[in-house]
Amino acid sequence: DVKVTQSSRYLVKRTGEKVFLECVQDMDHENMFWYRQDPGLGLRLIYFSYDVKMKEKGDIPEGYSVSREKKERFSLILESASTNQTSMYLCASLPGGGAYEQYFGPGTRLTVT
Amino acid sequence: AQKITQTQPGMFVQEKEAVTLDCTYDTSDPSYGLFWYKQPSSGEMIFLIYQGSYDQQNATEGRYSLNFQKARKSANLVISASQLGDSAMYFCAMRFIMLSNFGNEKLTFGTGTRLTIIP
Repeated sequence: DVKVTQSSRYLVKRTGEKVFLECVQDMDHENMFWYRQDPGLGLRLIYFSYDVKMKEKGDIPEGYSVSREKKERFSLILESASTNQTSMYLCASLPGGGAYEQYFGPGTRLTVT
Repeated sequence: AQKITQTQPGMFVQEKEAVTLDCTYDTSDPSYGLFWYKQPSSGEMIFLIYQGSYDQQNATEGRYSLNFQKARKSANLVISASQLGDSAMYFCAMRFIMLSNFGNEKLTFGTGTRLTIIP
C-alpha cells in the first residue's frame, strides 16, 4: 500500500515564525503536491513538484515556498507565518506514467496565533 | 481556466436510500478527468471513483457510480443503498494535463458537500 506521511497532525505556531511542514511518500512517486483546505473553499493547490529539485506554483503560492531535495520528501515552508495561514494542509503524491489517483497524507492542522 | 462547482453544501439522507451528489465543471480542454473523493471526520482523503473525458461508459465502483453527462458538463456521484458510514465530506475534482508544462497535471477541487446519513 502507498503510504504518505506528514510530520505532524496538529501544529501551533506564533505569528512571524518560520514553519516547516514535511511530507514523505514511500512509493517512489515522481509527483508531489501541497494543498490547503479551508471550510467553504475546498482544497486549493499551493505548490507541486514533478521531480527532485523541481517545483511549480499552484493556485495560491503567495506566502509559501517548497523544497524537494529527495524524491520521497516534499517540504512546505512558511517563511513568516501569519494568522491567515491557519488551515488544514494536505500533501499528496502521484506516480508518473499516466496514473491518475493522487494519494493523500493524513493532513496537518496548523494554527497560527 | 478549470472550475468545479458543487452547489449542495450539505445533505441529509435516510439510511438505505440512494444519494446523488451534484458536480458541474468547466473547462475548454478536450482531455480531462473527473474524480470523487470522500473525507470522513478523521480527515483522510479516500479516492472513490474516476471518469476520463473520453470514457464511453459511466464509471462504477461497488455502490458508487459516476453519472457523466459530457454535454451538460456534469459528473454527479450516485451512492446506492446509503449506509451510516457514508456520512462524510465529498469532493468532486477535475484533473487536467498541462501540455505546456511537460505534461504535468494538477487537480482542481470543488468546495465539497457534507453528507449526513440518518438512521
